[in-house]
Amino acid sequence: KAGVTQTPRYLIKTRGQQVTLSCSPISGHRSVSWYQQTPGQGLQFLFEYFSETQRNKGNFPGRFSGRQFSNSRSEMNVSTLELGDSALYLCASSPENVNVLTFGAGSRLTVL
Amino acid sequence: QQQVKQSPQSLIVQKGGISIINCAYENTAFDYFPWYQQFPGKGPALLIAIRPDVSEKKEGRFTISFNKSAKQFSLHIMDSQPGDSATYFCAASKRRDSSYKLIFGSGTRLLVRP
Repeated sequence: KAGVTQTPRYLIKTRGQQVTLSCSPISGHRSVSWYQQTPGQGLQFLFEYFSETQRNKGNFPGRFSGRQFSNSRSEMNVSTLELGDSALYLCASSPENVNVLTFGAGSRLTVL
Repeated sequence: QQQVKQSPQSLIVQKGGISIINCAYENTAFDYFPWYQQFPGKGPALLIAIRPDVSEKKEGRFTISFNKSAKQFSLHIMDSQPGDSATYFCAASKRRDSSYKLIFGSGTRLLVRP
């Protein structure tokens, strides 16, 4: 059974650009969550999607957005990139009504 | 009230020893407490989890001890092995409208010396 797949694994952007990250959940998992991991702030919750609806949102500015498609695949977008957005962005999927998150390997974003 | 405080920040243990990582929380609404293990270049992987209605849960060499009154929980790794060298995160969550949002501790970098 394939795990959570995130693309791209690494990317470099410059300040002011925007970026889109993709996540394919485990087959059958309808919940997709996104987390930001940085050395200074640790792992922070961004948002969670279920059946194309955002069910929960963390304390991040509106530059961070996401969406989920009918096949449960999810994307997150960060607009007007700042240096502080450099981080590992982790996607996790879970079965319905089960609080067991399986994380992908992450997308490492570097903002120059 | 949303914080989960984790200690120590780093830990060095000899092979065969016991590794102990502690976490404390404030929000009594939390009802699920997982521990995640993360190796370099990988995402966190669920190791073991506990709910507040039990005081201890053991899976192999890994044990969670939970103290509801003190709002603390800890991970014990018995017979620690070099392959256990990783970063460990405690977390807590509460169910809200079927949505789960994990609040993570700051992480503990464990090194097990051969």
